Amino acid sequence: AAGVIQSPRHLIKEKRETATLKCYPIPRHDTVYWYQQGPGQDPQFLISFYEKMQSDKGSIPDRFSAQQFSDYHSELNMSSLELGDSALYFCASSLVSTEAFFGQGTRLTVV
Amino acid sequence: AQSVTQPDIHITVSEGASLELRCNYSYGATPYLFWYVQSPGQGLQLLLKYFSGDTLVQGIKGFEAEFKRSQSSFNLRKPSVHWSDAAEYFCAVGAGNAGNMLTFGGGTRLMVKP
Repeated sequence: AAGVIQSPRHLIKEKRETATLKCYPIPRHDTVYWYQQGPGQDPQFLISFYEKMQSDKGSIPDRFSAQQFSDYHSELNMSSLELGDSALYFCASSLVSTEAFFGQGTRLTVV
Repeated sequence: AQSVTQPDIHITVSEGASLELRCNYSYGATPYLFWYVQSPGQGLQLLLKYFSGDTLVQGIKGFEAEFKRSQSSFNLRKPSVHWSDAAEYFCAVGAGNAGNMLTFGGGTRLMVKP
């Protein structure tokens, strides 16, 4: 069965650079969620989109923005990267009112 | 705001032994509750979920969990652990549509002795 696809799987950026993470949800899923998991930490909810509109917002820094496109894929844009942004970034997708399925994550390292 | 506590950071059990991982939650309404498993460097795999109905929930890989409202708990159990069960386990409580805006507990790392 098709799963949530995240790209890239690994990304290395320097401080103050910009990064874009992509998420391709399971076909026909209309809702996308972004989570950040720091080293040794539990995942923290960042933001979610339903039918291309932001639906919920968590602890997402102002330097980050995200959107969901007409084909339901989503991108997380991160600017002015800081060392503390180094983390595993998960995307999950669902149909509204069903459970979410997670992707394998993108490991971002800021040096 | 919701919160989740997993009191045990690490647990070691012998292969074939039974397992119980504890989870306590705080939530103002009837919670959506989940257990996820994560192998090192990997994504989160849903083991089971509770939305409503029967308080004993069966999941994949032989896991089950019991929702106890009076104790605000949702403990995960498995009668006989396999070496491949070694991983990090996260309990989560959900809000939003279908409860997918998740608040995770700190996780419990399970190690399995041969």
